Amino acid sequence: GEDVEQSLFLSVREGDSSVINCTYTDSSSTYLYWYKQEPGAGLQLLTYIFSNMDMKQDQRLTVLLNKKDKHLSLRIADTQTGDSAIYFCADSRPAGFQKLVFGTGTRLLVSP
Amino acid sequence: DTGVSQDPRHKITKRGQNVTFRCDPISEHNRLYWYRQTLGQGPEFLTYFQNEAQLEKSRLLSDRFSAERPKGSFSTLEIQRTEQGDSAMYLCASTAGQGHWGYTFGSGTRLTVV
Repeated sequence: GEDVEQSLFLSVREGDSSVINCTYTDSSSTYLYWYKQEPGAGLQLLTYIFSNMDMKQDQRLTVLLNKKDKHLSLRIADTQTGDSAIYFCADSRPAGFQKLVFGTGTRLLVSP
Repeated sequence: DTGVSQDPRHKITKRGQNVTFRCDPISEHNRLYWYRQTLGQGPEFLTYFQNEAQLEKSRLLSDRFSAERPKGSFSTLEIQRTEQGDSAMYLCASTAGQGHWGYTFGSGTRLTVV
């Protein structure tokens, strides 16, 4: 199946850590991505992880991948109000080209 | 290079009319993708070009939809006889090739069919 699932909503206070979770079903996924979408805008690539890695850190962002459970998470440290957006996870299918399958998105609301 | 450009940003059309959207990818990117995003959902794949060749089309792309990339640079997506169900954000993305780069998305064209 092509399902990529995420929780719909997360609310945190400024300065706290945020953890956004994602599950996927396709074991052939090669790269997994996190994208950010602000209102009325396209998607901005935040970070990615190769499927043979289990962790990647990039400044305030930490990606954890549990390939056995097909579970991906994005941790944002010291969350700021500017981090309020919708976050999408996506996996890439080796279909001869790089087709991305996106989750439904998690809306992150950061309150002061 | 200013990234992936899409035009127009917004389009309101009456049901039954034809509409055409344009995408200008990053100049050195040979792969171009169209996705559709409806409210509250993630983007869904529509079609893919490598240079000027359209190599993959989703089942979502009905006969009313056609996409072209005539010179391997900009691309157009046309919807004929629009229906209210076509209302969505149409996103274009480009990439230089396989690997971890991910896509660079444009800001999208929001279509409203009334």
